[in-house]
Amino acid sequence: DAGVIQSPRHEVTEMGQEVTLRCKPISGHNSLFWYRQTMMRGLELLIYFNNNVPIDDSGMPEDRFSAKMPNASFSTLKIQPSEPRDSAVYFCASSPIAGGKDTQYFGPGTRLTVL
Amino acid sequence: AQSVTQLDSQVPVFEEAPVELRCNYSSSVSVYLFWYVQYPNQGLQLLLKYLSGSTLVKGINGFEAEFNKSQTSFHLRKPSVHISDTAEYFCAVIRANDYKLSFGAGTTVTVRA
Repeated sequence: DAGVIQSPRHEVTEMGQEVTLRCKPISGHNSLFWYRQTMMRGLELLIYFNNNVPIDDSGMPEDRFSAKMPNASFSTLKIQPSEPRDSAVYFCASSPIAGGKDTQYFGPGTRLTVL
Repeated sequence: AQSVTQLDSQVPVFEEAPVELRCNYSSSVSVYLFWYVQYPNQGLQLLLKYLSGSTLVKGINGFEAEFNKSQTSFHLRKPSVHISDTAEYFCAVIRANDYKLSFGAGTTVTVRA
């Protein structure tokens, strides 16, 4: 298996622009997680999907952030409009069982820079 | 609520020396425990996990950890490190009745020749 795939790996954009991050989980995994990593706040869970349904989005910073999972093999995290404080590395992770009470498999991350 | 404390933010160590990374957690219910490693510019990779059973857990790359329920700790050890072990290490905890994985702040291990 190719593992969790994220694209793009790097994104540089200007403040106010829309940014879309993409994730393809490992086939057969029914839990998907989006995390944000910054120096100041470490790793934060943004949203958790189980069987394509958002279970908990309490970690999403504000209404500018939205996430979708239209099918079991694809998820997006969108920021509109983007702000400099959104600059971070965004990770997608998937897990074979509900609730992630086992190994979470992380993608390589998307490094976002908002100028 | 639960929290994860990694007591050391930076650990410099010489090659072939032992290393111990400390992790303590707080939780009022049973927990599952994990150690992840992050190499530069990469995602996180599981080193080892404790779900149940033996409190001494062996992982990849010669790492092991011991779950101590009375001290609410899950310290990571390796008897002899290599240059390639230079990375950031994260302790993570999930409550048995929850789904949120809480990460510690991370410990940066720098192995010198």
